[in-house]
Amino acid sequence: AQTVTQSQPEMSVQEAETVTLSCTYDTSESDYYLFWYKQPPSRQMILVIRQEAYKQQNATENRFSVNFQKAAKSFSLKISDSQLGDAAMYFCAYRRGSWGKLQFGAGTQVVVTP
Amino acid sequence: GAVVSQHPSRVICKSGTSVKIECRSLDFQATTMFWYRQFPKQSLMLMATSNEGSKATYEQGVEKDKFLINHASLTLSTLTVTSAHPEDSSFYICSALADNEQFFGPGTRLTVL
Repeated sequence: AQTVTQSQPEMSVQEAETVTLSCTYDTSESDYYLFWYKQPPSRQMILVIRQEAYKQQNATENRFSVNFQKAAKSFSLKISDSQLGDAAMYFCAYRRGSWGKLQFGAGTQVVVTP
Repeated sequence: GAVVSQHPSRVICKSGTSVKIECRSLDFQATTMFWYRQFPKQSLMLMATSNEGSKATYEQGVEKDKFLINHASLTLSTLTVTSAHPEDSSFYICSALADNEQFFGPGTRLTVL
């Protein structure tokens, strides 16, 4: 069975600073995808970034980037130049193949202070 | 991006009644939709996978007779909570699969009195 672990219940960061959220996963599959989702107070799930396991290059979306360490089964998210709007719950998720179901980690609450 | 809607956004009902929640993909067709439940300050828990034209696949521990799922068209899946009880109070989220990505609805807050 696959599991996704987020060991940081909450992270605090000052505006304009950088914060890194950790995520580890366990799988024996070779074809899988990893995701970071943001859930703001509205509770609407928003895709932040996606990484295909077969791609060695780390995914980047503007101020968001990942550090994908396949051998270590680690998938951390770095938020650069943090903004007040980044305050939300962030979930790491795993999906086997292109059509499998998502498995979510417990989540990390990001607090951004002015 | 693709848009998924849910209706109602919130519902309050009495214990013992049934509640239906609709999930619609507005600008695309989705052969597969998913239903999640989320308790306060917790993660999303997958309840079932809904496939158009066939029976839903439920996750272990989810009562299929209590949480009825119908995916009658390529744009609509419904979740009916039958004989609801206070412990069923939760936030229910659906998502639709398209273009190798899941698009999430805004969620439905169910409160059972």
